[in-house]
Amino acid sequence: AQKVTQAQTEISVVEKEDVTLDCVYETRDTTYYLFWYKQPPSGELVFLIRRNSFDEQNEISGRYSWNFQKSTSSFNFTITASQVVDSAVYFCALSEASNFGNEKLTFGTGTRLTIIP
Amino acid sequence: AAGVIQSPRHLIKEKRETATLKCYPIPRHDTVYWYQQGPGQDPQFLISFYEKMQSDKGSIPDRFSAQQFSDYHSELNMSSLELGDSALYFCASSRGRGPHQPQHFGDGTRLSIL
Repeated sequence: AQKVTQAQTEISVVEKEDVTLDCVYETRDTTYYLFWYKQPPSGELVFLIRRNSFDEQNEISGRYSWNFQKSTSSFNFTITASQVVDSAVYFCALSEASNFGNEKLTFGTGTRLTIIP
Repeated sequence: AAGVIQSPRHLIKEKRETATLKCYPIPRHDTVYWYQQGPGQDPQFLISFYEKMQSDKGSIPDRFSAQQFSDYHSELNMSSLELGDSALYFCASSRGRGPHQPQHFGDGTRLSIL
C-alpha cells in the first residue's frame, strides 16, 4: 500500500533563512508520481510540482528546489531565502501507476511552515 | 487562467439534513476528483469521474453520492449529515486521466454541521 510520511509537523524559521521540508514515501510500484502542494491560510490547495519515478533530476524553480532520491525514497522540498508569504501547510503526495484507473492522491499529513518576520 | 470553481464556499447544515456541493472543472478538463479534509488533517480521496463515468472510489460513505454531468461539472450529494461530516471538501480536475496528471484544486467548500 502507498504511504507518505512527513515527519515534520511544524517548522518555524526566521525570514530569509533556508528551510527544507522532508517527505518519505512507500510504494511497491516501480512507476509512480510524486507531488507537492501548498495550502496557505486561505485554505486552497496549490499545485507546486510533479516528479515521476524515472526522473531523478533535481529541479529548481526560483527560490524553490526539490531533491528526489529513490535510494532513500525521499522527495524533499527546499525554500531558499524564505519569505512571509511562504507560510503555509505543505503537503507531499503520491500516486501509483499500477492500476490506471486508480488516480487518487495519497497525501502526507503535511508540514506547517511559519516564517517569522 | 481559469481555475476550478466550487460552490458554495461555506455551508452550514444541521444533523440529518442534506447538502449538495458543486464543482466546475477547468475548461477542457474531463476528470474530476473529490477529497475531504478534516480539521488539521490531510485530504482524503472520496471519488473520481472521467468522461462522466465513475473512475475510482475511495472512502466515501454510502450516504454520499456524486456524479459528473455532460458539461463535466460534478456534484457531491450528502444525506443524513452527521457532525463528523464537518470538513473542507475539495474538488480537483485534470485533463485526461492517469496517476501522472497533476490535479488542480478548487478553493474548497467548508461544510459545518451543527
